[in-house]
Amino acid sequence: SQTIHQWPATLVQPVGSPLSLECTVEGTSNPNLYWYRQAAGRGLQLLFYSVGIGQISSEVPQNLSASRPQDRQFILSSKKLLLSDSGFYLCAWSATSRNTIYFGEGSWLTVV
Amino acid sequence: AQSVTQLGSHVSVSEGALVLLRCNYSSSVPPYLFWYVQYPNQGLQLLLKYTTGATLVKGINGFEAEFKKSETSFHLTKPSAHMSDAAEYFCAVSEGRRGGGADGLTFGKGTHLIIQP
Repeated sequence: SQTIHQWPATLVQPVGSPLSLECTVEGTSNPNLYWYRQAAGRGLQLLFYSVGIGQISSEVPQNLSASRPQDRQFILSSKKLLLSDSGFYLCAWSATSRNTIYFGEGSWLTVV
Repeated sequence: AQSVTQLGSHVSVSEGALVLLRCNYSSSVPPYLFWYVQYPNQGLQLLLKYTTGATLVKGINGFEAEFKKSETSFHLTKPSAHMSDAAEYFCAVSEGRRGGGADGLTFGKGTHLIIQP
């Protein structure tokens, strides 16, 4: 069966520091990968998606970037965090376009 | 562009009562519709989905939803609420607009379901 894991689960970082959140999917190949952010009272916002290694599409211009160095690895990064980057970040995958999206456990980021 | 509206950020029902969580969507193409549940500090878990075919969809934990094209709705129901149903519920739509590429979901803002003993 397929599994998805992301880490770290919680992170407290000072303003201006870098960020790296990692996500891996097991039990499938060539998945579509996604990063979402969840802010209180605002639902989930799609940040990035990827259909293959090195292929990243950004949905929202912002202080964050994403990379996919391997088929089942998806990384969310920032060079300098802002207070507004605080939130709950969710990695997700799907087998194909329009198929069910499965979510990881989430990562709480607090920028102080 | 696709969008999702969930009426009521908080819904409170008594244990054993009917649960009704409302979701309306807009989409320029036939939509795929989803309901997810989120327990505190966890990721989202799929409850049910509608793609094509039968408009009444049954999911896990006794939930079901009915796709009504004329009303652009996909309301979630459960006949009898249980304390363990207390969680955040998200409705989402997929439009498949990025021809050939990935298609992320567009989510509503969520409804917090409170179960009164």
